[in-house]
Amino acid sequence: DTGVSQNPRHKITKRGQNVTFRCDPISEHNRLYWYRQTLGQGPEFLTYFQNEAQLEKSRLLSDRFSAERPKGSFSTLEIQRTEQGDSAMYLCASSLDNYPGPQHFGDGTRLSIL
Amino acid sequence: GESVGLHLPTLSVQEGDNSIINCAYSNSASDYFIWYKQESGKGPQFIIDIRSNMDKRQGQRVTVLLNKTVKHLSLQIAATQPGDSAVYFCAESSGGQGGSEKLVFGKGTKLTVNP
Repeated sequence: DTGVSQNPRHKITKRGQNVTFRCDPISEHNRLYWYRQTLGQGPEFLTYFQNEAQLEKSRLLSDRFSAERPKGSFSTLEIQRTEQGDSAMYLCASSLDNYPGPQHFGDGTRLSIL
Repeated sequence: GESVGLHLPTLSVQEGDNSIINCAYSNSASDYFIWYKQESGKGPQFIIDIRSNMDKRQGQRVTVLLNKTVKHLSLQIAATQPGDSAVYFCAESSGGQGGSEKLVFGKGTKLTVNP
């Protein structure tokens, strides 16, 4: 399978703990995006990268959230001091860098905060 | 502010019928539109897209129509099958206007196909 891969698929943690998610994009895609989706809603944009450069961050991305893409390939999204409101599906997408073009999504990491 | 929304939260059709899912957007700078299908527990799956310089685009069993005058987008699915049952999202972006390439999603329409 050469699609977008996200790990873990599910994460359950206690409030206050730190969590990290990983996204492996489609291999030839230079752009990588993170979105968050809560139940019954459409995905909301968090941030995106062109290669290793983080080009845009949403106001939704508080100081507790940090994303990296150190070598321009896989990306990680870390949430520090998790809160109940962080419970959501975290989706990663990738695309070629010739706008416009479709973003292809992974199956997400579902985060549950106890 | 910019937003993308859907007129109907649910749509129920009979197998074999044609389905039409509608979407309204408000950002006049939007230049790219895309439809996704999302099944339970999975990520959004790309269906079809359209640029703002077009008003119609066809794929396999799907057609997207864009009316920029009234800021309206629709997805037509021909001969709907049970496997088409899912939540459908429209999304838009405005990256070509010096704006953001992020996708702005609507809330989704749940399509149920009855056998």
